Amino acid sequence: GAVVSQHPSWVICKSGTSVKIECRSLDFQATTMFWYRQFPKQSLMLMATSNEGSKATYEQGVEKDKFLINHASLTLSTLTVTSAHPEDSSFYICSAYLAVTSTDTQYFGPGTRLTVL
Amino acid sequence: RKEVEQDPGPFNVPEGATVAFNCTYSNSASQSFFWYRQDCRKEPKLLMSVYSSGNEDGRFTAQLNRASQYISLLIRDSKLSDSATYLCVVNSPWSSYKLIFGSGTRLLVRP
Repeated sequence: GAVVSQHPSWVICKSGTSVKIECRSLDFQATTMFWYRQFPKQSLMLMATSNEGSKATYEQGVEKDKFLINHASLTLSTLTVTSAHPEDSSFYICSAYLAVTSTDTQYFGPGTRLTVL
Repeated sequence: RKEVEQDPGPFNVPEGATVAFNCTYSNSASQSFFWYRQDCRKEPKLLMSVYSSGNEDGRFTAQLNRASQYISLLIRDSKLSDSATYLCVVNSPWSSYKLIFGSGTRLLVRP
């Protein structure tokens, strides 16, 4: 099946710093990627939809100036958490959308665990 | 009301047991339905799609009742390796490729 990678798999940073997370589709081109956030014992919440070559679409309540998304190529999307604070500590997961048949599928990356001290 | 609701569990069952998970969704316009499995500290992985006629994949059977907006997952002959959190997922009525996740039902299968 299709493979999506994320880097780094975990990161610990000081409050106020910025952290960049990369999401790559390794064996297919993804015009659309999604960024999710999951707090402990909670559901995955969609943060934004990232489209190659255009601005990301953010879900209600997600600050676009804080969570910067860049989808520079068909295989790479990046999420930058700017001026991170402890409340941003979470599990960030990306997915890449592959439209092949009527049963479209999202392939998830392994996630990035962010801890802000 | 949450868009996708699940009993959080945990369901604690012995090996070999049959266990059923239920899920309700709020928007009748949703068209695609899935069950995902998520292991601790890992990404979710697609277990199976759910079709109107019901579908089976080995020990797993999924059912959809559109009239009641209800989805179920039945696991027969539970294995220790089935221990995980099972996520009920539906697509957004406003964008077919956007997914809405339930908070998951945790399953613990004991020896």
